[in-house]
Amino acid sequence: EPEVTQTPSHQVTQMGQEVILRCVPISNHLYFYWYRQILGQKVEFLVSFYNNEISEKSEIFDDQFSVERPDGSNFTLKIRSTKLEDSAMYFCASSERTSGQETQYFGPGTRLLVL
Amino acid sequence: DQQVKQNSPSLSVQEGRISILNCDYTNSMFDYFLWYKKYPAEGPTFLISISSIKDKNEDGRFTVFLNKSAKHLSLHIVPSQPGDSAVYFCAASVDTDKLIFGTGTRLQVFP
Repeated sequence: EPEVTQTPSHQVTQMGQEVILRCVPISNHLYFYWYRQILGQKVEFLVSFYNNEISEKSEIFDDQFSVERPDGSNFTLKIRSTKLEDSAMYFCASSERTSGQETQYFGPGTRLLVL
Repeated sequence: DQQVKQNSPSLSVQEGRISILNCDYTNSMFDYFLWYKKYPAEGPTFLISISSIKDKNEDGRFTVFLNKSAKHLSLHIVPSQPGDSAVYFCAASVDTDKLIFGTGTRLQVFP
C-alpha cells in the first residue's frame, strides 16, 4: 500500500541552525501538507501546498519557515533559524485532491530537537 | 483555539467490549470529519471519515456517528481488541486544506 515517507526520523540541531525536513508524498497525490505536534499538545496545521505554491498557511508558519517541491517526488520543509520552541514532531501529509472531502495520509514524522 | 474537543483524555475498555470515543466541535461550517489512530513516535493513521451529509459511516469494527445538531461525533469500536490501544484523534475540515485536530483520547484495551 502506498505511503508517505519522511526523512530523517530524528534530527538534533543547535538553536539558530537551519534544518530541512524531507517528505515523499504518495505518488498520485497532488496536495501536500505539513503539521507539527509539540510534546503533549495537539497536532497543528502549518501549511498546505498545491501546484507549486502555498495554498494556505497558519500563523505558526512565519518567515522562518519555507516549503519547496524541488523535484517530482520530494516535498521539503525548511526552518531557517531554529528556535527552542520549534522542537516538535513534524508530520507530512498528502491527499489526492481537496474538496473538503479528501482524506489526508500522514507520514511517520520527524522528531526535531533544538538545543 | 478549541474548535475540536475531545474531553476524555483516556478510556479503558475490556477486550471484546465496545469502545466509544467522543468528539465535540464548535464550528458549524465543518463538513468533513475524520478519525485517526496514533501510536507513540508514529504518524496519525487514517481510520474512518464521515461527510456532514451523513449521520453514520461503518467500516468493519469501526463506526462513526455524526450528530450535527449537537455538534458531536463519536467513534465506536466493536469488539475492542488489545491492538486497538493507541491515541485516537478526531479531526475536521471546512472544505479547505487544513485539518483541525482534537487533543486526543488514549484508549487502552485490556484482556
